[in-house]
Amino acid sequence: GENVEQHPSTLSVQEGDSAVIKCTYSDSASNYFPWYKQELGKGPQLIIDIRSNVGEKKDQRIAVTLNKTAKHFSLHITETQPEDSAVYFCAASNSGGYQKVTFGTGTKLQVIP
Amino acid sequence: DAEITQSPRHKITETGRQVTLACHQTWNHNNMFWYRQDLGHGLRLIHYSYGVQDTNKGEVSDGYSVSRSNTEDLPLTLESAASSQTSVYFCASSDPGPHPNEQFFGPGTRLTVL
Repeated sequence: GENVEQHPSTLSVQEGDSAVIKCTYSDSASNYFPWYKQELGKGPQLIIDIRSNVGEKKDQRIAVTLNKTAKHFSLHITETQPEDSAVYFCAASNSGGYQKVTFGTGTKLQVIP
Repeated sequence: DAEITQSPRHKITETGRQVTLACHQTWNHNNMFWYRQDLGHGLRLIHYSYGVQDTNKGEVSDGYSVSRSNTEDLPLTLESAASSQTSVYFCASSDPGPHPNEQFFGPGTRLTVL
């Protein structure tokens, strides 16, 4: 089955700096890569996703890149703000697995004002 | 507004007891999932359902069961609670389709097994 590794497990940045979280996956058939943000005491919420037919996707201060050859994808947050502090999860899925996704172990991001 | 709710939000039980966690969604989604979240393991899939009367085992299904009698609900039952099942449990739902879609998560249930 799919295995998703996520690094780093914790990340501290100064407000205004950029943050990068990296993930690798094992199943070359995976073609959907969502990122979820989990605030304290809440369930995860999708912030951005990318499918394998594109290499990069951007939504305001958030961007995701995908390298299918190397089987890794990354989340980039620019101009970080204190409200970006949360746990972020990457995930991978393939259409053969229908709607199942495999999650990474999470990154706790702290943005220091 | 459509939503997904879980109850109870917190539960303390004893080893060996049967426990049922409720999940209710008003999105009218066919797909529903149960995950457990543990430090260092992220979110791991317990069981999932693609529609009424359909249930499937995930990667950590031992000791858990689900049933799907209607579209809105997917209760998770711990047949005989064990201390290893102390965790935070999340229910999620998603639209059906040939490709994976966004999953909408509930607020979670924190379960402690003493």
